Amino acid sequence: QKEVEQNSGPLSVPEGAIASLNCTYSDRGSQSFFWYRQYSGKSPELIMFIYSNGDKEDGRFTAQLNKASQYVSLLIRDSQPSDSATYLCAVGANNLFFGTGTRLTVIP
Amino acid sequence: DAMVIQNPRYQVTQFGKPVTLSCSQTLNHNVMYWYQQKSSQAPKLLFHYYDKDFNNEADTPDNFQSRRPNTSFCFLDIRSPGLGDAAMYLCATSRTLQGPEQFFGPGTRLTVL
Repeated sequence: QKEVEQNSGPLSVPEGAIASLNCTYSDRGSQSFFWYRQYSGKSPELIMFIYSNGDKEDGRFTAQLNKASQYVSLLIRDSQPSDSATYLCAVGANNLFFGTGTRLTVIP
Repeated sequence: DAMVIQNPRYQVTQFGKPVTLSCSQTLNHNVMYWYQQKSSQAPKLLFHYYDKDFNNEADTPDNFQSRRPNTSFCFLDIRSPGLGDAAMYLCATSRTLQGPEQFFGPGTRLTVL
């Protein structure tokens, strides 16, 4: 059974702070790692993907991957109230396996 | 704009009454996926098509079927919906089986009365 684990939260951060979201996975053969943002009642929206160990930055978002520790994280700098959503970690090669998501609330 | 479209956005059906959900894409992607997502749960893959090749997940109930008549369209048929099938149904596409990314449609919220 391939598992993707996330802390369900809720994670609350003040506006302007850094939000740190974490994800661990069980399948060492996983090759692709994704972060999706999902607003309540909406479908997941891809915000970051990473394939290699290290950091990948895109605007206010940084994805970090450590394959040895089977760990992937997402940092959101200068958090905004509009970042309040559930963040889904997805891991896979041929198929994606999703975590249950971390609910983030950014407090104005 | 290229996109993934799902119809209807909201579907209400009665217990046991067959229902069909529709997905279309203008991305010309080879792979189309159907996921079921219940409240506060992860999206659960039901099946996917790679071109015309159908791949059913082992734990997908027989009550769920799918059709892909052409590259652009894919349908999810629920033959006899039960109360436990009430969920958001998400269609996604990717260029290849290795993705890399999957693009999701807006989803269809299914209510079973």
